[in-house]
Amino acid sequence: GENVEQHPSTLSVQEGDSAVIKCTYSDSASNYFPWYKQELGKGPQLIIDIRSNVGEKKDQRIAVTLNKTAKHFSLHITETQPEDSAVYFCAASIPGGGNKLTFGTGTQLKVEL
Amino acid sequence: NAGVMQNPRHLVRRRGQEARLRCSPMKGHSHVYWYRQLPEEGLKFMVYLQKENIIDESGMPKERFSAEFPKEGPSILRIQQVVRGDSAAYFCASSVSRQATNTEAFFGQGTRLTVV
Repeated sequence: GENVEQHPSTLSVQEGDSAVIKCTYSDSASNYFPWYKQELGKGPQLIIDIRSNVGEKKDQRIAVTLNKTAKHFSLHITETQPEDSAVYFCAASIPGGGNKLTFGTGTQLKVEL
Repeated sequence: NAGVMQNPRHLVRRRGQEARLRCSPMKGHSHVYWYRQLPEEGLKFMVYLQKENIIDESGMPKERFSAEFPKEGPSILRIQQVVRGDSAAYFCASSVSRQATNTEAFFGQGTRLTVV
């Protein structure tokens, strides 16, 4: 089955700096890659996603890139703010499986003042 | 337009009791997914349901766990004879019914089960 690895497990940046979180997946059939933000005591919140027919997608301060050949995708957050502090999860799914997601192990992002 | 609603938010059960977790999907969504999150870990897929059908239960433990999504009413995840290892956060997600491509899944706030 699909396996998703995520790095780093913790990331600390200064306010205003950029943060990059990287994931790799194992199943080349995967075609949908969402990113979720989870704040303490809450459910995961979808922040951005990308499909395998594009290489990059941007939404304000958040961008995601996908390298299908390397089976690698990344989340980029620019101009980080304290409210960006949370746990971020990458995920992948294959076609035909509904939206069954395989998640990475999460990255605890801390944005320091 | 309410999001995915889960209840209860917190549930405490003694070992051997039954736990029943409820999930109402977003309006217009007919696909429901249950995930389990152990402390300090990511989310693990458990089961995928459509109305009155279990589509994929490959992540469900073989014993004590069951799920349903009846024609009327919320989806239910049932854990019988709970043990301490069942303590976790259980999240429900829903998506629209579009078979051709994967679609966005939206999560509820979760039910935090504590077995004492």
